[in-house]
Amino acid sequence: EAQVTQNPRYLITVTGKKLTVTCSQNMNHEYMSWYRQDPGLGLRQIYYSMNVEVTDKGDVPEGYKVSRKEKRNFPLILESPSPNQTSLYFCASSSIKAGSSYNEQFFGPGTRLTVL
Amino acid sequence: EDQVTQSPEALRLQEGESSSLNCSYTVSGLRGLFWYRQDPGKGPEFLFTLYSAGEEKEKERLKATLTKKESFLHITAPKPEDSATYLCAVQDSLYNFNKFYFGSGTKLNVKP
Repeated sequence: EAQVTQNPRYLITVTGKKLTVTCSQNMNHEYMSWYRQDPGLGLRQIYYSMNVEVTDKGDVPEGYKVSRKEKRNFPLILESPSPNQTSLYFCASSSIKAGSSYNEQFFGPGTRLTVL
Repeated sequence: EDQVTQSPEALRLQEGESSSLNCSYTVSGLRGLFWYRQDPGKGPEFLFTLYSAGEEKEKERLKATLTKKESFLHITAPKPEDSATYLCAVQDSLYNFNKFYFGSGTKLNVKP
């Protein structure tokens, strides 16, 4: 079954304790992305990756890191989490059409993060 | 700055009462506009992609249309199972074509 998986699904942590949220896709997609979703603000893009070792900042990258060492995996790293990073996080992947257009994004089930 | 605005924020319909959701956007050039459906506690699920003004796509009770400045998601004779939050997203074509901009969504509630 084609899918995007994220782990953990729920996480409660404390300020400053480094954490990693994993994301994996089994569709051989080139493009992967991380979003955060907050009430009234919609989905905002944190980082994206066009392929292995190619990443770039989205609109809200501060406080986050990513890496893309394998095509299927795109982990999100919070080196020193703060309470304002409490949010619902989604990973997504997509294949790339000709002419730099994208097909639809497939989203993971989400990770609800609470930073105390 | 690229922006996507959806209206209304919330919409309550009776079963069978047709209506439309709006997504207006300001981008330097549109490479693609995407509609998604999101159920509570789940990730968004793809509905449609539109690429150029005048384009229309249909799926069951849903029909998406696109003009140069906005897109509409028309819902004909909705059923309670259509209740969800509907999101639109745009891909810019000129400066940031690897980025996606989402609206904050329209929460649709269809009463039986």
